[in-house]
Amino acid sequence: QKEVEQNSGPLSVPEGAIASLNCTYSDRVSQSFFWYRQYSGKSPELIMSIYSNGDKEDGRFTAQLNKASQYVSLLIRDSQPSDSATYLCAVLATDSWGKFQFGAGTQVVVTP
Amino acid sequence: EPEVTQTPSHQVTQMGQEVILRCVPISNHLYFYWYRQILGQKVEFLVSFYNNEISEKSEIFDDQFSVERPDGSNFTLKIRSTKLEDSAMYFCATGLASPYNEQFFGPGTRLTVL
Repeated sequence: QKEVEQNSGPLSVPEGAIASLNCTYSDRVSQSFFWYRQYSGKSPELIMSIYSNGDKEDGRFTAQLNKASQYVSLLIRDSQPSDSATYLCAVLATDSWGKFQFGAGTQVVVTP
Repeated sequence: EPEVTQTPSHQVTQMGQEVILRCVPISNHLYFYWYRQILGQKVEFLVSFYNNEISEKSEIFDDQFSVERPDGSNFTLKIRSTKLEDSAMYFCATGLASPYNEQFFGPGTRLTVL
């Protein structure tokens, strides 16, 4: 059974601080990794993708991938109250045709 | 910015009835997907669709489910005989040029089976 694991939270972060979210996955052949944000009652919204080991930055967001350790993380710098949401990690295996495996998500609460 | 659209936003049906959920993909996207999310649970993959064929389907996607692209624009999910446990948010997602890249989600249809 291929699993994607995330801490459920809630992760409470003061406004302006860095939020750090982690995701581990069990399938070694996973090749594509994605972070989505989901507000309550809404659909997942793509934040960023990462395919290679290392860091990838996009604005206030940085994704980090370590395939050897099978984890991917997301850093949110200068956290804002509008960042309060559930963050979903999605993993795609090489042998699947677009079949994203989602984690259960980490709830982030940014406190003013 | 182009978006995936879905109709209806909320569908209420009686157990045993057929429902059709509709999606209009982003116009130049080639890969289409359906996911569902039961309240409080993970987003779950149902099916992927490319070149008018199912590419992959999950264990959830049994004979009660079907997908089609009837007119080259809409992408539909049909549930033939709904069960109480089919109550969920159903999301359509589309991808541009590869099944290994980003997927963009529509706003979802909330299906309630009574």
